[in-house]
Amino acid sequence: GDSVTQMEGPVTLSEEAFLTINCTYTATGYPSLFWYVQYPGEGLQLLLKATKADDKGSNKGFEATYRKETTSFHLEKGSVQVSDSAVYFCALSDRRGDKIIFGKGTRLHILP
Amino acid sequence: DAGVIQSPRHEVTEMGQEVTLRCKPISGHDYLFWYRQTMMRGLELLIYFNNNVPIDDSGMPEDRFSAKMPNASFSTLKIQPSEPRDSAVYFCASTYGQTMNTEAFFGQGTRLTVV
Repeated sequence: GDSVTQMEGPVTLSEEAFLTINCTYTATGYPSLFWYVQYPGEGLQLLLKATKADDKGSNKGFEATYRKETTSFHLEKGSVQVSDSAVYFCALSDRRGDKIIFGKGTRLHILP
Repeated sequence: DAGVIQSPRHEVTEMGQEVTLRCKPISGHDYLFWYRQTMMRGLELLIYFNNNVPIDDSGMPEDRFSAKMPNASFSTLKIQPSEPRDSAVYFCASTYGQTMNTEAFFGQGTRLTVV
C-alpha cells in the first residue's frame, strides 16, 4: 500500500542554520504531496503542498519540490528560527484522493 | 468558523471503562477523519467518513473501537472497554472535497490516558 518514510528525529540546529528534512514515498500513480507542521499542544496544520511532478510548494520560507524520478519531497529552509521548532510531517494523498497518509514525523529543535 | 472542535481535551480513565471522544467538523466539510498519534507508531488513520457514511475503517485496531457520524456536524469515537495501550492523542480532521486537492483541518486533539 501507499506509504511515506521520513528521516527520524530529533533534529537539532542552531538558529540561522540550513534545514533539510528528507521524505520519500511509495504510491501507485501520482499522488499529491504535503508537509504539515504540529506546534506543541496543537493539531497539525498545512505548511505546503505540491500536486504534480516538478511542482514546488513554498510557505513561510520553507520549500519542497515534487521529484517523481526519486519519489521524494524533501523539506528545506535556508535560515531557521527558534519559532520553527515543531514536529514536521510529510504526507501523501493517493489518486483516489479520499485520505491522507502521514509519515511518522520529525521533531525539530532550533537553539538560539 | 471556529475550526474543528474536539472534546474533551484530556481524558483520564481506568482500564475497562468506556471512553467517548467527540468531534465537530468545520461547517460544510464533507470528509471527516479520525487519527491516533503515538510516539511509536506516529499518526495512524483509524477511520474516515464521506457525507456521514463510513468509507474505510481498516485502521480501527479492533472491535473495541467504534465510530459514528449521525449528522454532518458531529462524530464520536468510542472505546469499550479501554486498555492502557489505547493511551494516545486522538485527532479529528475534516476537509471540503477530496484530500488530493485540499487542506485537512485538524482539531487540537484529545489526550487519552488509560490507567
